[in-house]
Amino acid sequence: DTAVSQTPKYLVTQMGNDKSIKCEQNLGHDTMYWYKQDSKKFLKIMFSYNNKELIINETVPNRFSPKSPDKAHLNLHINSLELGDSAVYFCASSQVGEARAYFGPGTRLTVL
Amino acid sequence: GQQLNQSPQSMFIQEGEDVSMNCTSSSIFNTWLWYKQDPGEGPVLLIALYKAGELTSNGRLTAQFGITRKDSFLNISASIPSDVGIYFCAGLPISGGSNYKLTFGKGTLLTVNP
Repeated sequence: DTAVSQTPKYLVTQMGNDKSIKCEQNLGHDTMYWYKQDSKKFLKIMFSYNNKELIINETVPNRFSPKSPDKAHLNLHINSLELGDSAVYFCASSQVGEARAYFGPGTRLTVL
Repeated sequence: GQQLNQSPQSMFIQEGEDVSMNCTSSSIFNTWLWYKQDPGEGPVLLIALYKAGELTSNGRLTAQFGITRKDSFLNISASIPSDVGIYFCAGLPISGGSNYKLTFGKGTLLTVNP
């Protein structure tokens, strides 16, 4: 009965590669997010989608492209990975009109 | 952008002690949330607060929405070893409009010595 799930849990890759992280939620929520947590544990929102529509796009390099095939899924594709992209990426979801966000277990991305 | 000041940054306490941490903002928030993050896991929602002055409990945890709407605190009573983790406050500024963009504090790392 997983609520928000992400794959993979760990991702180790070389600089310059392209990678994707997948997220799915079975809570019936309309809004999904991607957050980045840096090495100092600071959490910052990257993107927010509401019913497959992008509503928040923070100052994120355009190498990062979210894609929402349906309202239960929000994937994150990253092109030309850089060392500074190493972080933990969290997917989250919430009910529309609700601030309470529910987080996935995270994907630890390491770029070598 | 909005900034939340969360303090203390870290705490080392003995099992059984009470803990208090707080979050302040320079602007008014209309929602405060408290999360706990265990190592290797995602943040888990503990308590949500929606009205100034609201006091809400969840087991040994109690959180309050400050009267000024610019602060919130979280208390943990009679701490136990499994309380170890990072506690984050998160808020939704009143100016946020329909975009529910949470701002997070930098976290309080809690260590409980058995």
